[in-house]
Amino acid sequence: KAGVTQTPRYLIKTRGQQVTLSCSPISGHRSVSWYQQTPGQGLQFLFEYFSETQRNKGNFPGRFSGRQFSNSRSEMNVSTLELGDSALYLCASATWGGGAKNIQYFGAGTRLSVL
Amino acid sequence: EDQVTQSPEALRLQEGESSSLNCSYTVSGLRGLFWYRQDPGKGPEFLFTLYSAGEEKEKERLKATLTKKESFLHITAPKPEDSATYLCAVQDTGTASKLTFGTGTRLQVTL
Repeated sequence: KAGVTQTPRYLIKTRGQQVTLSCSPISGHRSVSWYQQTPGQGLQFLFEYFSETQRNKGNFPGRFSGRQFSNSRSEMNVSTLELGDSALYLCASATWGGGAKNIQYFGAGTRLSVL
Repeated sequence: EDQVTQSPEALRLQEGESSSLNCSYTVSGLRGLFWYRQDPGKGPEFLFTLYSAGEEKEKERLKATLTKKESFLHITAPKPEDSATYLCAVQDTGTASKLTFGTGTRLQVTL
């Protein structure tokens, strides 16, 4: 069974640009969560989508947005990039979300560098 | 607000030298506590979930335990391949799937 797939693996952008990252969850998984990982802050929750609806949102500015498609694939978008947005962006999928017995499985991440 | 604190930040062990990693947490209601392993350049890999105080789970050289305020990851007779960053996360009963992570313990096991 294929794992969580994130594309692209690496991205280099300049300040002010926007970027879209993609996540394909494990087959059958309907919940997709996004996290930002930086050396200083560790892993921080961005948002979660379930059945195409955003169900939970972390404390990030509105420049960070996402969506989920009917096939459960998800994208996140960051507009007006800032230097501080440089990070590893991780996607995690789970079967239905909302329960501790529902384990989140992570992809390898997209490494975003903002110059 | 949920909080997770892991200690130590870094740990260096010789092969065969057992030790424990600590994860202290504060949540309004614990739905579950999770342990993940992360290798450089990779995403976190799931290890264990613990749901209630007193629960224990084992996998090869790893054993996770849970109390009402903290969790321990015991590593028995570690090998160099156990070198990684170990992450602890909690899930609150009020926040659906959201995981709140600690900053991790970087473990290095040498020959």
